[in-house]
Amino acid sequence: KNQVEQSPQSLIILEGKNCTLQCNYTVSPFSNLRWYKQDTGRGPVSLTIMTFSENTKSNGRYTATLDADTKQSSLHITASQLSDSASYICVVSTQYGNKLVFGAGTILRVKS
Amino acid sequence: GAVVSQHPSRVICKSGTSVKIECRSLDFQATTMFWYRQFPKQSLMLMATSNEGSKATYEQGVEKDKFLINHASLTLSTLTVTSAHPEDSSFYICSARTRWYQETQYFGPGTRLLVL
Repeated sequence: KNQVEQSPQSLIILEGKNCTLQCNYTVSPFSNLRWYKQDTGRGPVSLTIMTFSENTKSNGRYTATLDADTKQSSLHITASQLSDSASYICVVSTQYGNKLVFGAGTILRVKS
Repeated sequence: GAVVSQHPSRVICKSGTSVKIECRSLDFQATTMFWYRQFPKQSLMLMATSNEGSKATYEQGVEKDKFLINHASLTLSTLTVTSAHPEDSSFYICSARTRWYQETQYFGPGTRLLVL
């Protein structure tokens, strides 16, 4: 069964600190993996996308890694800001891009 | 580019009434649009996939007679929740896939539906 599991379920950090979110997947065939940021009451916004051959991808303070052998990905947020408070969703694309498998998300709260 | 809008952003209705939600791709043509539902603290669940000019494909467990989807043009898809009940209260999100970037889905901002 195609599944995407994320950890932790929720996280609270102080402004300025770094954090890492985890994503494990059992999806086949694998097409690509994306990390999305979803603010409360808003639609998801894409942060990064990685294909099978890519190990790391950065977007500003966001850096995603992918280990296709162990089927694990992480999203590292550097120097967190209050505006980083959101749900971060790991999404794996399968069936040659035709179907998305969503993780449950990690709710991040950055406090001052 | 690749902006998707939804209207309304929020709607409150009485039980038994029907509600229509619009999803528009503003600056691109979308051959395929997707409708998702998201309950509090849960991730998005795909409800149906609609291709322009053809009938929507519904996911298992989603009632097609209750959730009517129309994708009449390359920039507009509508979701109508018929005879809405309180258990239909949820966050409905659409996404659109472009012609040229078939793997990328661009998400709308979502519509919060509350059925009293």
